Amino acid sequence: QSVLTQPPSVSAAPGQKVTISCSGSSSNIGKNYVSWYQQLPGTAPKLLIYDNNKRPSGIPDRFSGSKSGTSATLGITGLQTGDEADYYCGTWDSSLIAGVFGGGTKLTVL
Amino acid sequence: EVHLVESGGGLVQPGGSLRLSCVASGFTFSSYWMSWVRQAPGKGLEWVANIKQDGGEKYYVDSVKGRFTVSRDNAKNSLFLQMNSLRAEDTAVYYCVRLAARQALDYWGQGTLVTVSS
Repeated sequence: QSVLTQPPSVSAAPGQKVTISCSGSSSNIGKNYVSWYQQLPGTAPKLLIYDNNKRPSGIPDRFSGSKSGTSATLGITGLQTGDEADYYCGTWDSSLIAGVFGGGTKLTVL
Repeated sequence: EVHLVESGGGLVQPGGSLRLSCVASGFTFSSYWMSWVRQAPGKGLEWVANIKQDGGEKYYVDSVKGRFTVSRDNAKNSLFLQMNSLRAEDTAVYYCVRLAARQALDYWGQGTLVTVSS
């Protein structure tokens, strides 16, 4: 049981838009910044979004992040088959004094 | 270019010990917090530990407290994870990760597999 809650899977057609939610609590998302990670099959995770909505250099602007209260959302527009991956949200939990992740969301581009 | 290369994984019996190492390059290692994150086969990511630049602060997930110890050698650009009293549920790929500000894990190694089994 992960501290942060994500849907197990989402799907959409190429070119479409998808959003992935991440729900937490006042001690984690409500108090700290959220990051998002993309894990392509058989590879290490990669930072996609940090500080709720910032993109590292090299990440296309098709990827966006937002946060409201104790929830965060990852948005991906112009879906490509190469976006098929597992996506994880993560943050710090100030009560647990620990890093926490969501359980991950598998994106399928139909 | 930032590189993180883990080593030390392998097969170990329950109750045994293993020491993971990670060599960093391409950045000033002593300026960054570092983390270990693990992923059990077919499962999601689990944060394991953080260590401050000078090693003076360390944080662990509850399930490894008292069994795992994170350390670093800034002179050798190296991060370590000493794992004792290993259990089957510690079986996972262990990633060495650079920790940027505000718990953003910005660079990941390729991972090293630890298998705890008799």
